[in-house]
Amino acid sequence: SQELEQSPQSLIVQEGKNLTINCTSSKTLYGLYWYKQKYGEGLIFLMMLQKGGEEKSHEKITAKLDEKKQQSSLHITASQPSHAGIYLCGAGGTTSGTYKYIFGTGTRLKVLA
Amino acid sequence: EPEVTQTPSHQVTQMGQEVILRCVPISNHLYFYWYRQILGQKVEFLVSFYNNEISEKSEIFDDQFSVERPDGSNFTLKIRSTKLEDSAMYFCASSVANIQYFGAGTRLSVL
Repeated sequence: SQELEQSPQSLIVQEGKNLTINCTSSKTLYGLYWYKQKYGEGLIFLMMLQKGGEEKSHEKITAKLDEKKQQSSLHITASQPSHAGIYLCGAGGTTSGTYKYIFGTGTRLKVLA
Repeated sequence: EPEVTQTPSHQVTQMGQEVILRCVPISNHLYFYWYRQILGQKVEFLVSFYNNEISEKSEIFDDQFSVERPDGSNFTLKIRSTKLEDSAMYFCASSVANIQYFGAGTRLSVL
């Protein structure tokens, strides 16, 4: 079965600093999803990546899927306290021939003002 | 912006009792899901539901669990006889294509 491993497990950065979170899959990724989890708000969808080499950006967050489609990175530029939360990568969905998602272990981000 | 709504936000129950967790998916979505997250662990898939039947389920989703779409708007998860290990955050999600949108969750505490 497919496993997703995220690194680092937790991250504390000063406001304004850049950071990167990695997600590595044990199998080829046919659909990779990034979510942000905050208590009381559930999982908030950020981005979906499907093609090798694909890169997407939303505001100050950029996500990439490598050419071999086994690793994705999430990069935050000039972090702000509003970026704090737990970032989850997920894989699966109908492009993978399944309805379910599996999720990574999560990366807890704290941004110091 | 449309969202998935879950009620209640927190449910406390005694071991052996039945609980029903409720969800209102996004209105034009066709696929519905339940996931759970035990404290400190990964978010785990329980079940997916499409066209009024279960389309996929995990090993966790045993005979103690059931899902239902009783009307055109609600989607429920029933746990027949709760156990201590059912204590977790339960998330409902819905999708129309590949992207699943999640609710804020129901925290279930079994005493």
